[in-house]
Amino acid sequence: AQSVTQLGSHVSVSEGALVLLRCNYSSSVPPYLFWYVQYPNQGLQLLLKYTSAATLVKGINGFEAEFKKSETSFHLTKPSAHMSDAAEYFCAVTKGGSSNTGKLIFGQGTTLQVKP
Amino acid sequence: ETGVTQSPTHLIKTRGQQVTLRCSSQSGHNTVSWYQQALGQGPQFIFQYYREEENGRGNFPPRFSGLQFPNYSSELNVNALELDDSALYLCASSFRDRADTQYFGPGTRLTVL
Repeated sequence: AQSVTQLGSHVSVSEGALVLLRCNYSSSVPPYLFWYVQYPNQGLQLLLKYTSAATLVKGINGFEAEFKKSETSFHLTKPSAHMSDAAEYFCAVTKGGSSNTGKLIFGQGTTLQVKP
Repeated sequence: ETGVTQSPTHLIKTRGQQVTLRCSSQSGHNTVSWYQQALGQGPQFIFQYYREEENGRGNFPPRFSGLQFPNYSSELNVNALELDDSALYLCASSFRDRADTQYFGPGTRLTVL
């Protein structure tokens, strides 16, 4: 079975500050991991994904995440927050490798607030 | 290439009614997945279709059903609507052999009164 836990339902940072959104996963098989962003009244946009290649993954809009197997974590970071980063962020997991079918298991989400 | 589109954008129904939501996949994608996102929650997997066959289902009752058509467009049908069915319904399309790369539509907001 697979699951995702996002620590902190709400994160607030100042513009220009570091963004750190936490995600821990549980998976009985090697996972694929994802971060999605959702702006109000919109669907999900893929920020980045880990699919067993490089453990440090770079995504769009300056975000990156590091897969740490020993910590079962896949935290999302961005060095300097921008006002436009304010949104809901979801971490998701699915089975990796040849068993991947794209059936995503999502976390509860973290709302990122960026203060001027 | 066109993205994933969904219709309608918003929908209001009353308890006990039936509803059909539609999704048009990104060009060439042969796999579609449907998710339910309740307010303040993460999306939950409902089911997936590949080449018009159901290819996996989440923890949803049989009154949630789907169809995928030869042109890879898809429908989600919900019978006997309940208040708890109020949610944003998202579809996502992908290639079968690239299921790790899914493209989401904007969703349909269903309100059940």
